[in-house]
Amino acid sequence: DQQVKQNSPSLSVQEGRISILNCDYTNSMFDYFLWYKKYPAEGPTFLISISSIKDKNEDGRFTVFLNKSAKHLSLHIVPSQPGDSAVYFCAASPGTISSGSARQLTFGSGTQLTVLP
Amino acid sequence: DTGVSQDPRHKITKRGQNVTFRCDPISEHNRLYWYRQTLGQGPEFLTYFQNEAQLEKSRLLSDRFSAERPKGSFSTLEIQRTEQGDSAMYLCASSSKSRRLSYEQYFGPGTRLTVT
Repeated sequence: DQQVKQNSPSLSVQEGRISILNCDYTNSMFDYFLWYKKYPAEGPTFLISISSIKDKNEDGRFTVFLNKSAKHLSLHIVPSQPGDSAVYFCAASPGTISSGSARQLTFGSGTQLTVLP
Repeated sequence: DTGVSQDPRHKITKRGQNVTFRCDPISEHNRLYWYRQTLGQGPEFLTYFQNEAQLEKSRLLSDRFSAERPKGSFSTLEIQRTEQGDSAMYLCASSSKSRRLSYEQYFGPGTRLTVT
């Protein structure tokens, strides 16, 4: 049972246009959401995150939107650049129960973004 | 800050052999995680350390797997009697002791294991 789903395995966008990557989750205990970018043969690189108390977080060209009622989040990249071509993973973490809580991340299966020059 | 490092980057072993991987987290981070990633999937949680204490283990972590973090700094992940199904990328991540920042995990480059 996939608790975090990225239903689009791939997305192609023209350079300079907006890239929108989507993610859905099912577990109501998730309280914090993150996006990672991954290049081949490298580990995931943290991009941006959002707490469940917010509905938007912005960092430069990257904006994450959270719709808690729909259990949906999206990552917008504007403008898209060829260097953004990578696999993007959505991840979710449960809220804290105690200071020792693992807060392990549950990942989606990723979306391969290709930005065409 | 040199980031999270992992060694080796690649390991090829024969079925039935034991392998050990090492992870060095970001120096001020007290939380350390191991994940496994197979082709076409996102990373899956294996185990978690806070300082030297192993506080959580996934059901994915069979009896053949053991992890340690003896002094609360680097960690090792050992797989005994490897099987072909163990072939995967093994990722280590660390996060800050700050309650607010502890959600943000920073990953190493991974160790790619191939069991022949």
